[in-house]
This record gives sequence, structure tokens and C-alpha cells, in this order.
Amino acid sequence: DVKVTQSSRYLVKRTGEKVFLECVQDMDHENMFWYRQDPGLGLRLIYFSYDVKMKEKGDIPEGYSVSREKKERFSLILESASTNQTSMYLCASSSPSEAFFGQGTRLTVV
Amino acid sequence: DQQVKQNSPSLSVQEGRISILNCDYTNSMFDYFLWYKKYPAEGPTFLISISSIKDKNEDGRFTVFLNKSAKHLSLHIVPSQPGDSAVYFCAASDIVSGNQFYFGTGTSLTVIP
Repeated sequence: DVKVTQSSRYLVKRTGEKVFLECVQDMDHENMFWYRQDPGLGLRLIYFSYDVKMKEKGDIPEGYSVSREKKERFSLILESASTNQTSMYLCASSSPSEAFFGQGTRLTVV
Repeated sequence: DQQVKQNSPSLSVQEGRISILNCDYTNSMFDYFLWYKKYPAEGPTFLISISSIKDKNEDGRFTVFLNKSAKHLSLHIVPSQPGDSAVYFCAASDIVSGNQFYFGTGTSLTVIP
């Protein structure tokens, strides 16, 4: 059974905190992605990575960074959390024909 | 610029009737299309896919139709059930050269008992 696991289901952080969202996949996929989902805006791509230590900006990278030190792990970093980063964050990994998602992390920045 | 569009943010259908969710794309290089279903507080799960060599793919109550000339695909759910109430995302990729999937903004389907 394929698995993408996000470290937290729910997080509450204060404005200005540094936040780490972790994602691990066990399918040996090269491609991994971070999205955020907001009402009316659908899934927006923040960053993706197609290989270890490689990263590419998505549509909304501002305020975020990523780290891919190992093939199975892709981390999303909010350097200084702000209230407009309150959202549902979704990690995915993909084969050429399908993307598999984690269960999501609901982040609230207060 | 949004390459995959779902122009209906929401849809309500009576139980037992057909639900039709639509999706348009702009990139003629896209050759693989998928539909995902998402419940609140969960990640999207894969529902059904279609490659550009086909114009129809069926899996139980779910059928996806692809019209390449119109750059349009649709998901039909027949008969609709209350458990189908969820947000549905379409996605597209260029399977040969692409590394990423492009998602639409989603359509929230409510099936009324």
C-alpha cells in the first residue's frame, strides 16, 4: 500500500515562528510536491522537487523554502510564519501517471 | 496562468441522479488526465484517469470523457450517492516530458439525499 505521510495533522503556531512541515514517502518516487489548499483557490503549488537536493519554485513560493536531503523526505519551511499562511498543506509524490497525497496538515497561524 | 480550469465551484445533485463535473485545459501538450476526490481534513485520493489516446474511461459508477479538440474533460457519476459529496479536482500532465501535475481549483459536489 502506497504511503505519503505528513508529520502533523493539525498545527497551531504564532506569527513569526519558524515552522517545519515534514513529508515522507515510501514509494521511491523522484518527484515530490508541496501544495496549499484554500477555499475557492483549489490546489496551488508551492514548491516541487524532482531529485535529491533539487527544488523548483511553484506558483506561490514566497514566504516558503524547502529541503530535500533524502529521496524519501521533502520538508516545507515557513521561515517566519504569518497569518496569511493559515491553510491546509498537502504533500504529494508522483510516478509519471499518478500523484499520491498525504493526509494534509491544517496549519493555523495566530 | 491557470492551465487547468474548473469553472463551477459547486454543484448540487439529487441522490440517484447523474453528477457531471467539468474541466477545461489550455495546454495542448497535456496527454494524461486524472480526477481526485477530497473529503474535508483529508488528502485527495485518486479516482480515475484517462490518457489522450482514449476518449472514455469507465470504472463502476465513474466515467471520464475526454474531448481533445475542445480541450475539455468531464467526470460523470451515475447514480450519485450522498457519500460522493466531496471536492473533486481534475489534473493534467505531459507524461513524457513533464514532472508535475497541474490541478484545477476544484468543484464541491453535494449529493442531496
